[in-house]
Amino acid sequence: EVVLTQSPDTLSLSPGERATLSCRTTQSVSSTYLAWYQHRPGQAPRLLIYGGSTRATGIPDRFSGSGSETDFTLTINRLEPEDSAVYYCQQYGDSPMYTFGQGTRLEIK
Amino acid sequence: QVQLQESGPGLVKRSETLSLTCAVSGGSVNSGPYYWSWVRRSPGQGLEWVGYISYTGSTNYNPSLRSRVTISVDTSKSRFFLKVNSVNTADAAVYYCTRGPIVQPTLKFYYMDVWGKGTTVTVSS
Repeated sequence: EVVLTQSPDTLSLSPGERATLSCRTTQSVSSTYLAWYQHRPGQAPRLLIYGGSTRATGIPDRFSGSGSETDFTLTINRLEPEDSAVYYCQQYGDSPMYTFGQGTRLEIK
Repeated sequence: QVQLQESGPGLVKRSETLSLTCAVSGGSVNSGPYYWSWVRRSPGQGLEWVGYISYTGSTNYNPSLRSRVTISVDTSKSRFFLKVNSVNTADAAVYYCTRGPIVQPTLKFYYMDVWGKGTTVTVSS
């Protein structure tokens, strides 16, 4: 089973700054199978990025995904207070199987 | 716009069966082409995919839960269900229902584009 490890566990930044969130996999994963989600407290998780780099409907271009093989990144530019949330990466694997990273908590000071 | 709403008893006794419902509004579970999944989040495990039922009615489950889990659908009322047998404390979690759009030409889904807000399940002894 592919294990996804996200770093850092917690990130504290100020409005206007850039956040860089990492997701590393124990085996090579096609970017086609890599997605990112945002989860604010009390709300439904929201799909941000799929296919490694394609923004979901309604997601602002401040959010971008990149990476390949075992190293993927979610970048959030020009941070806003509403970006405070936990961010998860997720991959699709054979069987089929869907696995998630443990999450990165982003705090906007 | 499709919305999902989970419901079910918040408290289940250990060794009993957990039953949850996901109501689909703004769409239909059999209108296709989508897969309908359950995902749970527990303090010790993070997010864990439980299983899915497809628009054709086929199911697949996380191997770690396969022996205890059943997902079914009521197309007439646009709902789908989760049953977990013989629950234990490790099954305590927030349970989410989700939708996964099919990708052509593989007819599989790789991500979940709609999620419910989740329902909390506590397991008592």
